[in-house]
Amino acid sequence: AQTVTQSQPEMSVQEAETVTLSCTYDTSESDYYLFWYKQPPSRQMILVIRQEAYKQQNATENRFSVNFQKAAKSFSLKISDSQLGDAAMYFCAYRRYGGSNYKLTFGKGTLLTVNP
Amino acid sequence: DAGVTQSPTHLIKTRGQQVTLRCSPKSGHDTVSWYQQALGQGPQFIFQYYEEEERQRGNFPDRFSGHQFPNYSSELNVNALLLGDSALYLCASSLEVGRVVQFFGPGTRLTVL
Repeated sequence: AQTVTQSQPEMSVQEAETVTLSCTYDTSESDYYLFWYKQPPSRQMILVIRQEAYKQQNATENRFSVNFQKAAKSFSLKISDSQLGDAAMYFCAYRRYGGSNYKLTFGKGTLLTVNP
Repeated sequence: DAGVTQSPTHLIKTRGQQVTLRCSPKSGHDTVSWYQQALGQGPQFIFQYYEEEERQRGNFPDRFSGHQFPNYSSELNVNALLLGDSALYLCASSLEVGRVVQFFGPGTRLTVL
């Protein structure tokens, strides 16, 4: 079974600074997807960024980028120029590629605080 | 373009009761997944529906059941409620074709007393 581990229950960052959230996962599959979702106090889970395991290039979405290390099974999220609106719970998630197994497996999350 | 909607927003029930939660997928989406998110935890997969059939199920007892309607909306039913069923229930929708990304609704907060 796949597992996702987020070892940082809480992180804080100063506005305009950069912060990195860590995620490791365990799988025997060679192809899969990885995601970072953001859950603000409004509770709605919002997709931040996704990475296909078969792509060597790290995904980037504006101020958000990932460091995907397939051999180490590591998938960290870097938030640059942090803004107050970035404060939220961040979840790392894994999804198997193809087949009939479409579920997302989530980590326990990292609570990010942004200080003005 | 309406996103995923869920009703009700909050619900309070007592042990032993039954509850039905509802979800309307994002416009154009045909697949609905349900997740349970206990306080301080990540979401746990309950089951997924496609073409009105349960396609995959997580590690949840038979007290948890669901249904998908021809318009792709879905219901989650929980019987014989336990205190431990108190959680945020999230619905996510996606497309069978190009089904990588799941879009989530705001959830229903269920409290069992």
